[in-house]
Amino acid sequence: RKEVEQDPGPFNVPEGATVAFNCTYSNSASQSFFWYRQDCRKEPKLLMSVYSSGNEDGRFTAQLNRASQYISLLIRDSKLSDSATYLCVVELTGNQFYFGTGTSLTVIP
Amino acid sequence: SQTIHQWPATLVQPVGSPLSLECTVEGTSNPNLYWYRQAAGRGLQLLFYSVGIGQISSEVPQNLSASRPQDRQFILSSKKLLLSDSGFYLCAWSRQSGGGTQYFGPGTRLLVL
Repeated sequence: RKEVEQDPGPFNVPEGATVAFNCTYSNSASQSFFWYRQDCRKEPKLLMSVYSSGNEDGRFTAQLNRASQYISLLIRDSKLSDSATYLCVVELTGNQFYFGTGTSLTVIP
Repeated sequence: SQTIHQWPATLVQPVGSPLSLECTVEGTSNPNLYWYRQAAGRGLQLLFYSVGIGQISSEVPQNLSASRPQDRQFILSSKKLLLSDSGFYLCAWSRQSGGGTQYFGPGTRLLVL
């Protein structure tokens, strides 16, 4: 079983739409959680950390459900510039990060 | 501020040739360092990580090796490349304290022919 699983998509949504991605992780000892964004042929960049209480950064909201071992990312009012692949990342210890395969998002004009 | 460099940016190598990719970090000390590979259309695969000079942990057995000769230098090597070694190689660092994020270099795109 993979450490982190994501729906690969693709998600094709119109501008202004709200879209949500989910991610599940297998190890209940996982400590930290993140969403990264990766543009085509570029390196991943941190989008936001995910805290137990949930957190929001502008149009982006991240949630963590430890009991069910899943993480979500909600994007409101989608922009064309949001088109990218979104990677779910789980940190097991200080040395071990596990990446999902990513969810592809295309925002259509 | 911290920066991470990788070179070369792109590389085309014949099967059986050696490989050396370099990664350096600036603006921090004693970082954890990582090498990942991302094959076309696939997720990131952790290859090696290091918590200090000369300390290397391998996640996946293969024909690649890694070395950390200096605190902020991480090198990925191979004696003989295989076709399956083609991919996007990413170096990353994180703070030793854990509970933090990883920061990625710009990557090296390797094509083995």
